[in-house]
Amino acid sequence: ILNVEQSPQSLHVQEGDSTNFTCSFPSSNFYALHWYRWETAKSPEALFVMTLNGDEKKKGRISATLNTKEGYSYLYIKGSQPEDSATYLCALVGNTDKLIFGTGTRLQVFP
Amino acid sequence: ETGVTQSPTHLIKTRGQQVTLRCSSQSGHNTVSWYQQALGQGPQFIFQYYREEENGRGNFPPRFSGLQFPNYSSELNVNALELDDSALYLCASSLGSGQGSYGYTFGSGTRLTVV
Repeated sequence: ILNVEQSPQSLHVQEGDSTNFTCSFPSSNFYALHWYRWETAKSPEALFVMTLNGDEKKKGRISATLNTKEGYSYLYIKGSQPEDSATYLCALVGNTDKLIFGTGTRLQVFP
Repeated sequence: ETGVTQSPTHLIKTRGQQVTLRCSSQSGHNTVSWYQQALGQGPQFIFQYYREEENGRGNFPPRFSGLQFPNYSSELNVNALELDDSALYLCASSLGSGQGSYGYTFGSGTRLTVV
């Protein structure tokens, strides 16, 4: 059974700070790892799809890495902005393409 | 590209009642998955439909059932509602059998409250 843990649970940073959070998992028995951003009252939005060990993705100020051997993925935000405030969810793709989610990291960026 | 639409957005039901939640998939997507997010938890997989057939089920009792229609829209039905069924229900569409190679498109959810 895949168990996905995310840390920290919540994070408060000042505008301009860089930040990172972790998604950890005990096994590499999955097809892919997804990161989603979920703003309040909106839909979760796919940020990155990561499929290979050593995979690294970048979109603007946000980037992610995946290390399946050590069992973690990091999400980095450079120069946080208030609009980055959201819950960031990590999910492993298991059998039948089902997503196994962590509980998320809630990020709040203060101006 | 219309995205995923869920209805209704909010719903209040009484314990023991039945409820139907609806989801229309993003254009071109043939797979729909349903997730339940209880307070303080990550979304939990309920089941998935691929081309109108159930294609995987999570740890939910049989009173949770679903349908997928020829246009790939979907329904989630819950019978004999219990208080613990109170949660946000999310629908996600995707291109099936991609082994997670594509990000999923989520709706904004239906908030179900059982009293």
